[in-house]
Amino acid sequence: GAGVSQSPSNKVTEKGKDVELRCDPISGHTALYWYRQSLGQGLEFLIYFQGNSAPDKSGLPSDRFSAERTGGSVSTLTIQRTQQEDSAVYLCASSLVAGVSYEQYFGPGTRLTVT
Amino acid sequence: AQSVTQLGSHVSVSEGALVLLRCNYSSSVPPYLFWYVQYPNQGLQLLLKYTSAATLVKGINGFEAEFKKSETSFHLTKPSAHMSDAAEYFCAVSLGSGNTGKLIFGQGTTLQVKP
Repeated sequence: GAGVSQSPSNKVTEKGKDVELRCDPISGHTALYWYRQSLGQGLEFLIYFQGNSAPDKSGLPSDRFSAERTGGSVSTLTIQRTQQEDSAVYLCASSLVAGVSYEQYFGPGTRLTVT
Repeated sequence: AQSVTQLGSHVSVSEGALVLLRCNYSSSVPPYLFWYVQYPNQGLQLLLKYTSAATLVKGINGFEAEFKKSETSFHLTKPSAHMSDAAEYFCAVSLGSGNTGKLIFGQGTTLQVKP
């Protein structure tokens, strides 16, 4: 079956612009996670959803970052007023249910470059 | 607080040689531990996980890891390296109780396999 998909695969934007990154989880997966992979910080957790609720937003680096999930499926990560330090690969993962017993399946990521 | 340290950002082995990638963890509660592999321009794929059952965990592609509580280690090994094993490897930890599945990753180790 289809895996986790993310769009766009690459995004180049100018400093100060807003961007939206999309994640389509595996059908039937109720948990969805966002991570960021950057040269300086490695792989970092950003936020996760169980259904449409986000119980843990502790990894969002600033209030310029927000995420939502609708219909228990697609999620959008929005970065407002992008800065150069936002340049990274943004990875999405989904699992059947939130919890360590359930494997997270990762998408290919969106590479964001802020110029 | 939980953390993961991977010793060696780059490891180079010859084809057919033993692969050893080191991971040490810090956790105040019994951890769940994972190894992921990332091939170029792809998402992460789960190699294996430790969930407090057997201390020696076997994963995909001939990899295995041993949980050693006394050494707070979870090193990844493979008896004989293949060219196709060249990739980046991440060790990760997640809380065991009341967990959300949120993963804390190490900095990653790039494995180079020489012919």
